[in-house]
Amino acid sequence: NAGVTQTPKFQVLKTGQSMTLQCAQDMNHNSMYWYRQDPGMGLRLIYYSASEGTTDKGEVPNGYNVSRLNKREFSLRLESAAPSQTSVYFCATRVGLSYNSPLHFGNGTRLTVT
Amino acid sequence: TQLLEQSPQFLSIQEGENLTVYCNSSSVFSSLQWYRQEPGEGPVLLVTVVTGGEVKKLKRLTFQFGDARKDSSLHITAAQPGDTGLYLCAGVSQETSGSRLTFGEGTQLTVNP
Repeated sequence: NAGVTQTPKFQVLKTGQSMTLQCAQDMNHNSMYWYRQDPGMGLRLIYYSASEGTTDKGEVPNGYNVSRLNKREFSLRLESAAPSQTSVYFCATRVGLSYNSPLHFGNGTRLTVT
Repeated sequence: TQLLEQSPQFLSIQEGENLTVYCNSSSVFSSLQWYRQEPGEGPVLLVTVVTGGEVKKLKRLTFQFGDARKDSSLHITAAQPGDTGLYLCAGVSQETSGSRLTFGEGTQLTVNP
């Protein structure tokens, strides 16, 4: 049982390049989230999807787009990468929308933009 | 300015010592969660506290939610090297829109053998 799987684990991009971060879950959870983690700033929500077919902006959505492909998969796209997007990106899932239930995280994608 | 302030940011102690880390805010939170994150992995939920004044224990870890639901603490008794990690608090503030979960910046704990 893999839980939440993120690919790739590491990526180096040049400024202006594009890429898509993939996230897949086998937990049958409805809600999926993309966070970025930067030193001294905790985890910040980029986008989330409460259910298949819906997406909403989080705290720091600028420069990103998302697609909820189906119940299992939620991808994050950087159309034109910038050095400020150097970060560790985490995908997370939750069974519903109640914030008393736990978030289940993947192991992250470490992105460097030069 | 972080909605949730964690202190200390870094803590290095010897095996067997006790420690407390804090999570403070000027806002009222509906609930608070504590996560632990190990290098190269995502955070894992330790506990959720919901009621003001609530105390929960998880083996050597004791979690408390403040009476006014603006702060929380994590106390570890007789720390072990396996407790090493980044401890994150997260909560839903009554002030933020959409019941958004806010994370603190974390406390990096190192327990030396």
